Amino acid sequence: NAGVTQTPKFQVLKTGQSMTLQCAQDMNHEYMSWYRQDPGMGLRLIHYSVGAGITDQGEVPNGYNVSRSTTEDFPLRLLSAAPSQTSVYFCASQGSSYEQYFGPGTRLTVT
Amino acid sequence: ILNVEQSPQSLHVQEGDSTNFTCSFPSSNFYALHWYRWETAKSPEALFVMTLNGDEKKKGRISATLNTKEGYSYLYIKGSQPEDSATYLCAPSLSSNDYKLSFGAGTTVTVRA
Repeated sequence: NAGVTQTPKFQVLKTGQSMTLQCAQDMNHEYMSWYRQDPGMGLRLIHYSVGAGITDQGEVPNGYNVSRSTTEDFPLRLLSAAPSQTSVYFCASQGSSYEQYFGPGTRLTVT
Repeated sequence: ILNVEQSPQSLHVQEGDSTNFTCSFPSSNFYALHWYRWETAKSPEALFVMTLNGDEKKKGRISATLNTKEGYSYLYIKGSQPEDSATYLCAPSLSSNDYKLSFGAGTTVTVRA
């Protein structure tokens, strides 16, 4: 049981490049979400999903896309990276216990 | 998006001392209050989920209380140890069907040996 996994752990992009951050969970959780963490700001919700085929925007969705084709996977796509998207990104999943389980994070730098 | 405030932003505690800090949140439309512990270079981990006014949860030397009418929660660490050094995050949720969490910026606790 790996829990929530994220790849890559580190990534450097140039402005305008696109990429996908991968997130997978093996706990059969319906709810999954993406957060970004910036100094002094805590965790901010980017997008979330309540089940396969269903996604919705969180607090800071601009510049990001998500899809949920399976229960296990919830990738986050950066369409055209900007320096303002330099951050640490966390994926999380939640079952019926109201506890969210977080992945190890992806540290992204956009130059 | 809920306005969640945590204070203080950081605190330093001598090993063996006890400490506490606050999470404030809007008291209307409240369903549950979540506390997470976030150690450096690790991922946030759930500590408590609290729903009832007056609720008190305890895990080892860490405990939390909840006042839903006035919109605040206290987290206490008794006899702090260096391994308690972490950032403690709180996040309210609005309903049992709403899994979205609005996190506060956290209180960073540093325990000095």
